[in-house]
Amino acid sequence: NAGVTQTPKFQVLKTGQSMTLQCAQDMNHNSMYWYRQDPGMGLRLIYYSASEGTTDKGEVPNGYNVSRLNKREFSLRLESAAPSQTSVYFCASSVRQHNTGELFFGEGSRLTVL
Amino acid sequence: QKEVEQDPGPLSVPEGAIVSLNCTYSNSAFQYFMWYRQYSRKGPELLMYTYSSGNKEDGRFTAQVDKSSKYISLFIRDSQPSDSATYLCAMPSTDSWGKLQFGAGTQVVVTP
Repeated sequence: NAGVTQTPKFQVLKTGQSMTLQCAQDMNHNSMYWYRQDPGMGLRLIYYSASEGTTDKGEVPNGYNVSRLNKREFSLRLESAAPSQTSVYFCASSVRQHNTGELFFGEGSRLTVL
Repeated sequence: QKEVEQDPGPLSVPEGAIVSLNCTYSNSAFQYFMWYRQYSRKGPELLMYTYSSGNKEDGRFTAQVDKSSKYISLFIRDSQPSDSATYLCAMPSTDSWGKLQFGAGTQVVVTP
């Protein structure tokens, strides 16, 4: 039972390079999310997708784009990476947008931008 | 100012002690309150949630909400080394339950 799977787990980029973080869930959840976690800042929402075909900005969307490819997959793209985007990125899913707040998280993708 | 404030710790306690964690929040419209646990290099997982004010108990864990003070607490009784983790409080945004506002997380270390 995989749950939420993120790839890659680790990545080092140079400033200006682009990359895509992939996320897939096998729980038939409708809603998916991308968070970043930084020391002292907690988890901050980047983008979310309430259902297949919709995406919305979260608290810190600048410098990122997302694609809800299908119900299972939700990708996060950095078009021109900056050192400020060095962080741990978590993908999460939930049964539906309006629930009791139970998000199921992946194990994270650790990104370093030099 | 963040909507949810949490002391990052670390909080070090001996095995068997009671661990006391807390968060304060500024938005009086918050109704649901969650605690997530995050082990090192893993994603957070939901530990408990409570609705409105009052207490909720689940085994060794007790969650308390005091809406009048905008203050929530998590207590861990008979703490074990396996409880060593970061504990994050979280509350759904008032415009969307899927958008959680997280505290910074408190790192707990339980020493044998």
